[in-house]
Amino acid sequence: GDSVTQMEGPVTLSEEAFLTINCTYTATGYPSLFWYVQYPGEGLQLLLKATKADDKGSNKGFEATYRKETTSFHLEKGSVQVSDSAVYFCALKNQGAQKLVFGQGTRLTINP
Amino acid sequence: DAGVTQSPTHLIKTRGQQVTLRCSPKSGHDTVSWYQQALGQGPQFIFQYYEEEERQRGNFPDRFSGHQFPNYSSELNVNALLLGDSALYLCASSESGTTHNEQFFGPGTRLTVL
Repeated sequence: GDSVTQMEGPVTLSEEAFLTINCTYTATGYPSLFWYVQYPGEGLQLLLKATKADDKGSNKGFEATYRKETTSFHLEKGSVQVSDSAVYFCALKNQGAQKLVFGQGTRLTINP
Repeated sequence: DAGVTQSPTHLIKTRGQQVTLRCSPKSGHDTVSWYQQALGQGPQFIFQYYEEEERQRGNFPDRFSGHQFPNYSSELNVNALLLGDSALYLCASSESGTTHNEQFFGPGTRLTVL
């Protein structure tokens, strides 16, 4: 079945550091890919998405490119802030399916 | 515009009891999905409701059931609670017929089973 694998956390960085959170997937067909963020005590918020190969999703300085050849959707940000501290989830939604399939999440902590 | 709302925020039950969680979708949305998020894990799909019927179901036992009302709001019912049912239950709403059917999540209900 469809699955998503994220790099294990937790990840701790200093403010203004470069961020990469790896995400790879296994899916039949051509899924849409997503990154969600969960701040403490809150639900999930969509951060960015890409719906086909080579698409780049971007939002709030975060970027991820849909790489079909490597089945990856790595999240990057050039300069992180303390306010980026949260749990990040990579997810996919296959064509014709109703459900999102999530990775296990990566906890990110940014120190000032 | 109100987003997805869920009630209650927190709930404590004992093993064997039954619980009902509620969700109101974002305005304009007609589809509701439920997810279970165990501590330290990603959300797992329970089921989705559309036009008051269960459209797709994940790998959850029949103890988990749901309902959707004509106003598109939804309930999740869990019978015969087990300790392992302790989790954050997330509701997500979406609009059918739109490209990619983006799902918007509520803040969740934290269920603790003692």
